[in-house]
This record gives sequence, C-alpha cells and structure tokens, in this order.
Amino acid sequence: SQKIEQNSEALNIQEGKTATLTCNYTNYSPAYLQWYRQDPGRGPVFLLLIRENEKEKRKERLKVTFDTTLKQSLFHITASQPADSATYLCALGGGGSSASKIIFGSGTRLSIRP
Amino acid sequence: KAGVTQTPRYLIKTRGQQVTLSCSPISGHRSVSWYQQTPGQGLQFLFEYFSETQRNKGNFPGRFSGRQFSNSRSEMNVSTLELGDSALYLCASSLNGDQSTDTQYFGPGTRLTVL
Repeated sequence: SQKIEQNSEALNIQEGKTATLTCNYTNYSPAYLQWYRQDPGRGPVFLLLIRENEKEKRKERLKVTFDTTLKQSLFHITASQPADSATYLCALGGGGSSASKIIFGSGTRLSIRP
Repeated sequence: KAGVTQTPRYLIKTRGQQVTLSCSPISGHRSVSWYQQTPGQGLQFLFEYFSETQRNKGNFPGRFSGRQFSNSRSEMNVSTLELGDSALYLCASSLNGDQSTDTQYFGPGTRLTVL
C-alpha cells in the first residue's frame, strides 16, 4: 500500500542554521508534492508545490527538492528563526487533481531554539 | 479577503449523538474539501464538494455526510457518534479544486470531542 514517511517526529535546530525535513514515499508515483505548515490549533497553510519534472523549487528562505528516483523530497529552511517552529506536512498528489488523490504525511514537528 | 471560517471551533458530544459542522469558504472559491485529522491517522480526506455536488468521497462510513449550498458554504454531518470520531475536522477551499494548480486554503478546524 502507499506509504509516506516524514523524518522523526521532532527536529530541534539552533536559530540561524538550516533545517532540513525529509519526506519519503513508497508504492506511489506522485505527479506533484506539496508542503504545508501547521501551527498548534490551526489548519495547515500551503507553502510550496513541486512537480515530478521539477528538481528544485525556492520561495524566500524555503527550498524544496524532489527526487523521483530516490522517492524523496527534502524541505529546507535556511537562516531558521524561532517563528519557523511548527509542524510541517508533506502531501503527495497524483492519479488525478482532486483532493481525494492527495495523501498527507504525519508531519515533522520543528523547533527552532534561540 | 476573509479566510476560511469554521463553526463551531469546539464541540463536545456524547456517543450516539449527531453533529453538524459548518464551513464558509473564501469568497469566489467553489470547491470545499473536508478532512479529519487525528494524532494516529494524520490528515485524511472525507469528501469534496464543487458547485453543490459531491465530487469525491474518502473511505469513511456512511455516518459521515455533507452538503454544499449555492453560496458555496458547506456543512458536514456525523450521525451516531463514536468515541473514535474525536478529531480535528478541517475544511479547505480552493478556486476549482484542482490540487495541482490551485492553492488549498484551510480553516482553523472544529475540535470535536466525543465522550
């Protein structure tokens, strides 16, 4: 069955360093991959989408890579700040563009310490 | 532009009761999707509505139902509540529901506790 794994339940990073979050998947060939941020008690907020034919995408301090051979996406936050502390979800989409075709990972809780 | 709103934010019910949750999408958005989020299962798709029609349904029992009104506002209903229905219920709206091009905007969720 399709499976998504996000690295470790929690990641603690010193402020100013680069945080790298991993999203691995098996038994799936996604057409695109999304990353969301979720703060406690709030809904997820869309950050970036990367398609299967794209290797890398950037948005301000965020960078996402997508390796369909390794079946992995890496999400980087450079110059991390305490305000970046949140849970980050990856979501795979494919086999259609409907929300029903998206599979979410369980998330990685990121803590940036001052 | 106002974001997605959900009411109520918190709800406590007992087993066997039913509940109705409401979602108001961003103005102009025609697609509304509902998700259930639990610590064990993560975020799981319930159903999607577009122009008052259910377009897709996730793998949930028939106790879970929903509808969408002509103004795109949506409601979901859970009947005969079970303890396992305790979760954060999230609503998300997008322009046309195409996840490969549209951005999906989530509401703050309704925290349902079933006792």
